[in-house]
Amino acid sequence: ELKVEQNPLFLSMQEGKNYTIYCNYSTTSDRLYWYRQDPGKSLESLFVLLSNGAVKQEGRLMASLDTKARLSTLHITAAVHDLSATYFCAVTGNQFYFGTGTSLTVIP
Amino acid sequence: KAGVTQTPRYLIKTRGQQVTLSCSPISGHRSVSWYQQTPGQGLQFLFEYFSETQRNKGNFPGRFSGRQFSNSRSEMNVSTLELGDSALYLCASSLSRGQVTQYFGPGKRLIVL
Repeated sequence: ELKVEQNPLFLSMQEGKNYTIYCNYSTTSDRLYWYRQDPGKSLESLFVLLSNGAVKQEGRLMASLDTKARLSTLHITAAVHDLSATYFCAVTGNQFYFGTGTSLTVIP
Repeated sequence: KAGVTQTPRYLIKTRGQQVTLSCSPISGHRSVSWYQQTPGQGLQFLFEYFSETQRNKGNFPGRFSGRQFSNSRSEMNVSTLELGDSALYLCASSLSRGQVTQYFGPGKRLIVL
């Protein structure tokens, strides 16, 4: 079974700082997804990464994929309070496999 | 265009009962997937339907079943509810199988007492 691990599980960061969330997966997958979930809400799609070396950016978030290392990163630049949420990565085999999630809190 | 809809948002049942949850995908979307989210197990895939056929199933007991109708609306059923079935059940739709983006509905909170 494909396993997806994220770290850290919890992240508290100050506004204006940078940080990276890591997503490791155990076997080959052809695509990797990042989602955001606000408390009590559903999942919102952030990025879809389809190939080795893919990089996508939206606002203060940038995601990258290294298929050889089976690693994706979600980099946060100059964090703001609105980014506080739980972030999930997911990979596809014959189904979606989600990571454990990273709960991000941005404090003033 | 309306998003994925799941109603009602909250449902309270007792052990041993059965429950049916409904999901209406985005218009034109033919693939519907279901997920269970709990604090202990995280997000887990339940099943995927496309063209009224179950295409994939996650590692859940047979008490969990589903179906898809010709209009792509989907239902999932859980029989003989257990306390551990308390969770947020999420439905997601996409245009077709393998489509890159899934759109998630608001979820349905099931509480089993």
